[in-house]
Amino acid sequence: DIQMTQSPSTLSASVGDRVTFTCRASQTVDIWLAWYQQKPGKAPKLLVYKTSTLETGVPSRFSGSGSGTEFTLTISSLQPDDFATYYCQHYDKYPPAFGQGTKVEIK
Amino acid sequence: QVQLVESGGGVVQPGGSLRLSCGASGLILREHVMHWVRQAPGKGLEWVSAISHDDVNKYFSDSVKGRFAISKDPSQNTLYLEMTDLRSDDTALYFCAREVYSSGRCAVFDIWGQGTRVTVSS
Repeated sequence: DIQMTQSPSTLSASVGDRVTFTCRASQTVDIWLAWYQQKPGKAPKLLVYKTSTLETGVPSRFSGSGSGTEFTLTISSLQPDDFATYYCQHYDKYPPAFGQGTKVEIK
Repeated sequence: QVQLVESGGGVVQPGGSLRLSCGASGLILREHVMHWVRQAPGKGLEWVSAISHDDVNKYFSDSVKGRFAISKDPSQNTLYLEMTDLRSDDTALYFCAREVYSSGRCAVFDIWGQGTRVTVSS
């Protein structure tokens, strides 16, 4: 099975900062990588799929890149609503798997 | 408005059983691949199981294979997760989710329920 590893586990940042976090797969997942945002007590929200395609309604300050085994999610200018936990997920084949998450905290 | 609503969670003793339900409104479950994803307290997301739109294909994580079953009732437009031989590490918030944007083999999840909590404890 493919394992997903995210770094860092926690990121402290301020409103307006540009933040980037990483997701690594234990073997290639080609371009089949998605990102979700989750806030406490809520279901995850799909942000990005197929590495870099924004889900409808997701602000353009979010962007994804990468391929193969290394991927990044960038928020160009952090907004108050962006403080949350972010998960990557591969969907190259079964079983799909999530990373352990990156929590973005207020600095 | 498209909505998924889970129910059926609760407290159960180790070795016990529980059936989770996921009722759908605004979408017809027999037209979609549906999944269960869980989240242990304070932990990350873990995929659990999936069922194809026509019920032909069913998939399970290694951690639940042989203990959990997935099914749909088209007449009730409801997805189920039948859980048996429950263990303490099955304690989690269980979400149902709709699959979208397939890679041809697997996919991502765009619509999620609010989750139903399962606690396995003596």
